[in-house]
Amino acid sequence: KAGVTQTPRYLIKTRGQQVTLSCSPISGHRSVSWYQQTPGQGLQFLFEYFSETQRNKGNFPGRFSGRQFSNSRSEMNVSTLELGDSALYLCASSLGTGENEQFFGPGTRLTVL
Amino acid sequence: AQSVTQLGSHVSVSEGALVLLRCNYSSSVPPYLFWYVQYPNQGLQLLLKYTTGATLVKGINGFEAEFKKSETSFHLTKPSAHMSDAAEYFCAVSFSGGYNKLIFGAGTRLAVHP
Repeated sequence: KAGVTQTPRYLIKTRGQQVTLSCSPISGHRSVSWYQQTPGQGLQFLFEYFSETQRNKGNFPGRFSGRQFSNSRSEMNVSTLELGDSALYLCASSLGTGENEQFFGPGTRLTVL
Repeated sequence: AQSVTQLGSHVSVSEGALVLLRCNYSSSVPPYLFWYVQYPNQGLQLLLKYTTGATLVKGINGFEAEFKKSETSFHLTKPSAHMSDAAEYFCAVSFSGGYNKLIFGAGTRLAVHP
């Protein structure tokens, strides 16, 4: 079974630009969650999508948004990039309930200059 | 509010020694508990999880953890460290009403020296 894939793996942007990251979950998984990992703040939950609906959202500004498609693939978008958005963005997929393990992709390393 | 505390941001052990990584959680509802490992430039890999049932949980690579409700702890252990265990370890919790939101501890970087 193929794992969670994320594209691109690395991205360099400048302040003020916007960026879209993509995540393909494991086949059969309907839940996709996104996390931001930084040295200062650690791993923080961004949002979760299940069957194309956002079910849960973390404490991030509205510049961070996402969506999920009918095939469960998900994208997250960050608009008006700030230096502090530089981070590893991790996507995770699961069957959809809290006790199910989440399978993580390798992440997208975003650098904002 | 739910939270996770990992005691010790860095732990160093000798190869063959016991590994003990500490995790305490705060929650008003029964938690689901997880340990993940992250190797450099990679995503997170699940080591083990506790949802219900037996409180001693065995995971991959010889790791195990015990859920102690009275102590609100879920410490990770391995009897004998191997060089390949050097990585960062994260304890995380989720809840039945929280869907798939994982709340992570700050992580513990494990170093294993010969």
